[in-house]
Amino acid sequence: SAVISQKPSRDICQRGTSLTIQCQVDSQVTMMFWYRQQPGQSLTLIATANQGSEATYESGFVIDKFPISRPNLTFSTLTVSNMSPEDSSIYLCSGDRGQETQYFGPGTRLLVL
Amino acid sequence: GENVEQHPSTLSVQEGDSAVIKCTYSDSASNYFPWYKQELGKGPQLIIDIRSNVGEKKDQRIAVTLNKTAKHFSLHITETQPEDSAVYFCAAGGTSYDKVIFGPGTSLSVIP
Repeated sequence: SAVISQKPSRDICQRGTSLTIQCQVDSQVTMMFWYRQQPGQSLTLIATANQGSEATYESGFVIDKFPISRPNLTFSTLTVSNMSPEDSSIYLCSGDRGQETQYFGPGTRLLVL
Repeated sequence: GENVEQHPSTLSVQEGDSAVIKCTYSDSASNYFPWYKQELGKGPQLIIDIRSNVGEKKDQRIAVTLNKTAKHFSLHITETQPEDSAVYFCAAGGTSYDKVIFGPGTSLSVIP
């Protein structure tokens, strides 16, 4: 099965601060995706991260709030900036690992106080 | 854009019975339909997927059907077991390499 890891697995942060979440895939992928899952809810796509180009954001998500980096084909980061309690969620990354289907990381559980 | 609806939101079945979850999608350009199982505290795990050139796919106790004309697809779990208890999400996307849009989820409880 796919191996996608995320760091940190969980964090508690103060409002106004920023947190960078890392996503590492064990093989090269063309596109990586970042999702947010609010408590008890479904997954909502934040953005698509392509290597060598700017991320593409979904409606309701902006680069200033969720800057994304994609320095190579196996790694991506998502930063949650200027956090408020409403940003408390699970953040998940996914990638296809060249296997024609999307695999997900275990998620980063963020609590903002 | 794509919109995926899913029913029911909660489902309780007796162990050994079958469970059926139904989804509809709005974008006729969608061709890839994965199903994910999410257990508490974990990320979604792919359990089965189907592409638009196939009407049905089966993997042991799990099967998925697709009606592209009606834009709906369903997950069937037979001989349910307590370990099948989880939240199940359907999703739809252009291809297996594209982004996918998730349905709202179904919380399945299998009662021993």
